[in-house]
Amino acid sequence: GEDVEQSLFLSVREGDSSVINCTYTDSSSTYLYWYKQEPGAGLQLLTYIFSNMDMKQDQRLTVLLNKKDKHLSLRIADTQTGDSAIYFCAESKNYGQNFVFGPGTRLSVLP
Amino acid sequence: GAVVSQHPSRVICKSGTSVKIECRSLDFQATTMFWYRQFPKKSLMLMATSNEGSKATYEQGVEKDKFLINHASLTLSTLTVTSAHPEDSSFYICSATREGFRGDTQYFGPGTRLTVL
Repeated sequence: GEDVEQSLFLSVREGDSSVINCTYTDSSSTYLYWYKQEPGAGLQLLTYIFSNMDMKQDQRLTVLLNKKDKHLSLRIADTQTGDSAIYFCAESKNYGQNFVFGPGTRLSVLP
Repeated sequence: GAVVSQHPSRVICKSGTSVKIECRSLDFQATTMFWYRQFPKKSLMLMATSNEGSKATYEQGVEKDKFLINHASLTLSTLTVTSAHPEDSSFYICSATREGFRGDTQYFGPGTRLTVL
């Protein structure tokens, strides 16, 4: 079946850039998402990218998609302590349906 | 890796009936499970936090009498949509928390599509 993989932990220093990586196996994935989960809270959609796009930028966030390698990344510029959270990568064939989530990457921002 | 299942994956029901959705952690014990609802073109909305052996904690705006949550064991939480209406039609996803020495890990179920006629 479909699978989404992420590294489980990432530590960066405040002010540096963070890059969270994700790989997926389903070549027919159409939508790829990044969600953020802060401690004790539910998921918050950060951004998503359609599979015919290579890049999407939104303020400090840059999403890169390499469809050939089935690799998705989320870059957070000028990482702040408030960015400390768990970041989930997910994919689906139809927007908002039948998600397959990765295990989440726990981002720790060090002062 | 850890697996979370949901049953049923798809259900169609008539208005006024109740529907039960099960969420199971298959190879670990989950003291905490979350229930989400997916609205079209929007983020997953957290409905409630389900804790084994105690009452669920509902988010603001979620009717606890309509969406009954029971966390009967460390591997099973159920969401019952009572007196379902067409506006309850949605995609419901659960997640289960596995505690680890380096922090908690969330595992998501595949979701249940509910259609109320």
